[in-house]
Amino acid sequence: GENVEQHPSTLSVQEGDSAVIKCTYSDSASNYFPWYKQELGKGPQLIIDIRSNVGEKKDQRIAVTLNKTAKHFSLHITETQPEDSAVYFCAASTAGGSQGNLIFGKGTKLSVKP
Amino acid sequence: GAGVSQSPSNKVTEKGKDVELRCDPISGHTALYWYRQSLGQGLEFLIYFQGNSAPDKSGLPSDRFSAERTGGSVSTLTIQRTQQEDSAVYLCASSLYPRGRGETQYFGPGTRLLVL
Repeated sequence: GENVEQHPSTLSVQEGDSAVIKCTYSDSASNYFPWYKQELGKGPQLIIDIRSNVGEKKDQRIAVTLNKTAKHFSLHITETQPEDSAVYFCAASTAGGSQGNLIFGKGTKLSVKP
Repeated sequence: GAGVSQSPSNKVTEKGKDVELRCDPISGHTALYWYRQSLGQGLEFLIYFQGNSAPDKSGLPSDRFSAERTGGSVSTLTIQRTQQEDSAVYLCASSLYPRGRGETQYFGPGTRLLVL
């Protein structure tokens, strides 16, 4: 089955710097890759997703890139702000199949220091 | 509109007791998921409901865990004879369409379960 590895487990940056979180997946059939942000005491919230027919997607300060050949995808946050501090999870699934469960990475705790 | 709600938000119980956790999905969402999140870990899939179809129970860790979804809406996750290793955050999510279509899952705030 699918396995998703996420690195780093913790990341500390200064406000205004960029942050990059990387994930690798094992199942070449996976074609849907969402990123979730989880703030303390809350459930995860989708912040951006990408499908396998796209190599990059941007939404304001957030971007995600996908390399299907290498089976890895990354989250990029530019001009970080203290409110970006949270745990970020990547996930992968095989959209279009009868299964399609999201398999999550173990999370990255991002701390943005003012 | 209202998001996914879960109750209770926190639950402390003694080892060996049964607990029931409730999830109210977003109105009209046909798919409902339960996940378990242990400290420092990712989200572990437990069970999936879709409409009136038989649920996918492949993620349930033992026969002490069960779940039901009444009327295609509210779901209850039951843990019988709780053990300390059951301590975790239990998250519920719903989506408009069935899994396998790259549908966004909307998560509730979770129930934090502590088994003493």
